[in-house]
Amino acid sequence: GAGVSQSPSNKVTEKGKDVELRCDPISGHTALYWYRQRLGQGLEFLIYFQGNSAPDKSGLPSDRFSAERTGGSVSTLTIQRTQQEDSAVYLCASSLGLATLYEQYFGPGTRLTVT
Amino acid sequence: EDKVVQSPLSLVVHEGDTVTLNCSYEVTNFRSLLWYKQEKKAPTFLFMLTSSGIEKKSGRLSSILDKKELFSILNITATQTGDSAVYLCAVRSGNTPLVFGKGTRLSVIA
Repeated sequence: GAGVSQSPSNKVTEKGKDVELRCDPISGHTALYWYRQRLGQGLEFLIYFQGNSAPDKSGLPSDRFSAERTGGSVSTLTIQRTQQEDSAVYLCASSLGLATLYEQYFGPGTRLTVT
Repeated sequence: EDKVVQSPLSLVVHEGDTVTLNCSYEVTNFRSLLWYKQEKKAPTFLFMLTSSGIEKKSGRLSSILDKKELFSILNITATQTGDSAVYLCAVRSGNTPLVFGKGTRLSVIA
């Protein structure tokens, strides 16, 4: 496909369980971003990856959140011991680069509901 | 801390009206300002602005940036029900990822 894809599209989990969210960026895009959007709120930056550089994790809200990007392509966002306040739409985006003025292309998001 | 503020937070208009959405920002090393339209989950790109005073236009939508007063506006003329969405403004500062505003929810009623 030509766009950013994410899976699953929806995830319902019980409080305390771990979840993994997947993002497939556009082929050739070296930068990948994760954002969180709570209901009625703006996008909140979580983490980004740029090529082989160490990721910028400054937006991760707690140590329960982690992300990996394997082979410079697919990324997985993991939330351990989920809490109800983790309920949100998690959006992934990719771009050709970070340091220059490149547009970010967003995936459709994963709606996470923690019960 | 970089900050992006959008106003109004929500807006209801009738079809055919013209609307102006506002975005003001405070960032340390401005690079660009972007507008997105978010209808369901994924924001779709509208405009990227880097220079003051140069209007970007796409159909009924247009946007302009004022780097002196640190704001941008997004205009939509002859609104249609399909324009109903959340419009997000985001600013890139230095090499950091985008900082988003909370968005303006636009509702266009027939």
